[in-house]
Amino acid sequence: KQEVTQIPAALSVPEGENLVLNCSFTDSAIYNLQWFRQDPGKGLTSLLLIQSSQREQTSGRLNASLDKSSGRSTLYIAASQPGDSATYLCAVLFDYKLSFGAGTTVTVRA
Amino acid sequence: DAGVIQSPRHEVTEMGQEVTLRCKPISGHNSLFWYRQTMMRGLELLIYFNNNVPIDDSGMPEDRFSAKMPNASFSTLKIQPSEPRDSAVYFCASSLADYQPQHFGDGTRLSIL
Repeated sequence: KQEVTQIPAALSVPEGENLVLNCSFTDSAIYNLQWFRQDPGKGLTSLLLIQSSQREQTSGRLNASLDKSSGRSTLYIAASQPGDSATYLCAVLFDYKLSFGAGTTVTVRA
Repeated sequence: DAGVIQSPRHEVTEMGQEVTLRCKPISGHNSLFWYRQTMMRGLELLIYFNNNVPIDDSGMPEDRFSAKMPNASFSTLKIQPSEPRDSAVYFCASSLADYQPQHFGDGTRLSIL
């Protein structure tokens, strides 16, 4: 069974600081890995998807890396803004199923 | 483009009542997923359909839960009878095919009193 862990569970930073969110998974036989954002009371918005053959993906201020052999991914958010405050979820596609971590709740203080 | 549409957005009902949650996947998507999100267990897959056929229902908690997909544009998740521990946010997601990115609806927030 695939287990996905996200550390830390919560993070509070001042505006402008870079964010580093960590995700680890137990079975490296994944098809891809996705990072999602979830705002309170809302659904999931896909931020980045990394195929198993890729090492990283970038979109604007967001960069995600993947080390499949060690079962780790990191999401970097540069120059954080108050609008980045949300819960960030990591999910791995394993045997057609998405397995989710518990999320990291980020607060960016103005 | 219309995304995944779920209804209702919120449902409050009393224990023992039947609850029906609805989902309209993105047109052309062949895979549909129902997830449940709780504080204690996070996001869990309940059931997965491919081409309207249930492929994996191992995540359905018990016989009180049932899901159907009568056609490619509609799915329901039913709880009968409902219990307070069923209170959660239920998400529907669809994807073009297996192993393609899943697109999520806004969820149904269910409260069983």
